[in-house]
Amino acid sequence: DIQMTQSPSSLSASVGDRVTITCRASQSISSYLNWYQQKPGKAPKLLIYAASSLQSGVPSRFSGSGSGTDFTLTISSLQPEDFATYYCQQSYSTSVTFGQGTKLEIK
Amino acid sequence: QITLKESGPTLVKPTQTLTLTCTFSGFSLSTSGVGVGWIRQPPGKALEWLALIYWNDDKRYSPSLKSRLTITKDTSKNQVVLTMTNMDPVDTATYYCAHRGIAAAGPAGSEYYYYYMDVWGKGTTVTVSS
Repeated sequence: DIQMTQSPSSLSASVGDRVTITCRASQSISSYLNWYQQKPGKAPKLLIYAASSLQSGVPSRFSGSGSGTDFTLTISSLQPEDFATYYCQQSYSTSVTFGQGTKLEIK
Repeated sequence: QITLKESGPTLVKPTQTLTLTCTFSGFSLSTSGVGVGWIRQPPGKALEWLALIYWNDDKRYSPSLKSRLTITKDTSKNQVVLTMTNMDPVDTATYYCAHRGIAAAGPAGSEYYYYYMDVWGKGTTVTVSS
């Protein structure tokens, strides 16, 4: 299995802050990396696919970058509705794996 | 508009077999490239991918759970069924099904494809307890 490691596991930030979450793969996955947002009691929501492509309807303050083994999700200016847990997921292998999640909390 | 909905028992006993059904609309599982997957999430924990079935009936399973999982499809009913044998309390989780989206990239004639889970059901909670 390809292991996905996110950092940090949790993060406190304020509305308006710029936030970056990192995801590292245990082997190169090219750009086969997706990001999801999950709010409590809700299903995950796709934000970014192919490392940097914004899913339709997702605000432009979300952006993704990286390739190979190191990836980042950036929120340029945090909004109240962005406080949630974020997961990366690799689709390079047919055996899909997720990161352990990063919980973004209000400071 | 693509929608998916999970259904099945909310409570199963240890050693029993769990059968979950994903009923979907807005796409056909007989269309080339289409896939439906199952993902679960134990309370307070991370997402775990379980299985995926493709339009051509090809199937993929989580290596750690492969011996316990079976995924099947009924194209005429727009349903995907996941069975998991020998249930244990550690299998207590919310189980989601999701549509696999595809994005093509690269020059014409040399395309390659990116895959992602773009539409999810709301999930169904399964508790394993005697």
